[in-house]
Amino acid sequence: SQTIHQWPATLVQPVGSPLSLECTVEGTSNPNLYWYRQAAGRGLQLLFYSVGIGQISSEVPQNLSASRPQDRQFILSSKKLLLSDSGFYLCAWRPPEGASYNEQFFGPGTRLTVL
Amino acid sequence: QKEVEQDPGPLSVPEGAIVSLNCTYSNSAFQYFMWYRQYSRKGPELLMYTYSSGNKEDGRFTAQVDKSSKYISLFIRDSQPSDSATYLCAMSAIYNFNKFYFGSGTKLNVKP
Repeated sequence: SQTIHQWPATLVQPVGSPLSLECTVEGTSNPNLYWYRQAAGRGLQLLFYSVGIGQISSEVPQNLSASRPQDRQFILSSKKLLLSDSGFYLCAWRPPEGASYNEQFFGPGTRLTVL
Repeated sequence: QKEVEQDPGPLSVPEGAIVSLNCTYSNSAFQYFMWYRQYSRKGPELLMYTYSSGNKEDGRFTAQVDKSSKYISLFIRDSQPSDSATYLCAMSAIYNFNKFYFGSGTKLNVKP
């Protein structure tokens, strides 16, 4: 079966510091991968998605970036965090084919607080 | 206008009640409709998935899609305290499976 991991689970960072969040998926090959941010009481905002190694699509211009160095690894980064970057960051994956082709499955999330 | 509208609640019901959760949308190209359950401080968990119009039932959960009204619903029968969570609707169009549009979520509290 497939599992998705995110770390760290929680993170408190000062304004202006760098960020690196990691997401890995097990039990599948060539998944589509997604980064979302969820602000308190709000829906999920798609930040980036990737259909393959090195292929990144950005949905919202901001000071965040994403990379996919390996097939099942997706990284969210920032060089300098802003207060507005605080939130709950979720990684998700979608199978490249099959019965669940149109379904996204979420990881446990990383809660980021920028002070 | 938001692509997807969802009443944030909170919705508080007694145990055993029938719960109705709803979303409206504006894009007639949406064909795939999902409901996710999210417990506090956890990632969303996919509950139901439907394609186009109609009903789908899974245990105590029924998902309903009315494309003519651009309205989707999730019904929970015999609600339990363990159903207390935030419920998010999501939808996507056939021309872009990578973009899901989410509602802001309805917080449900089932009281024992």
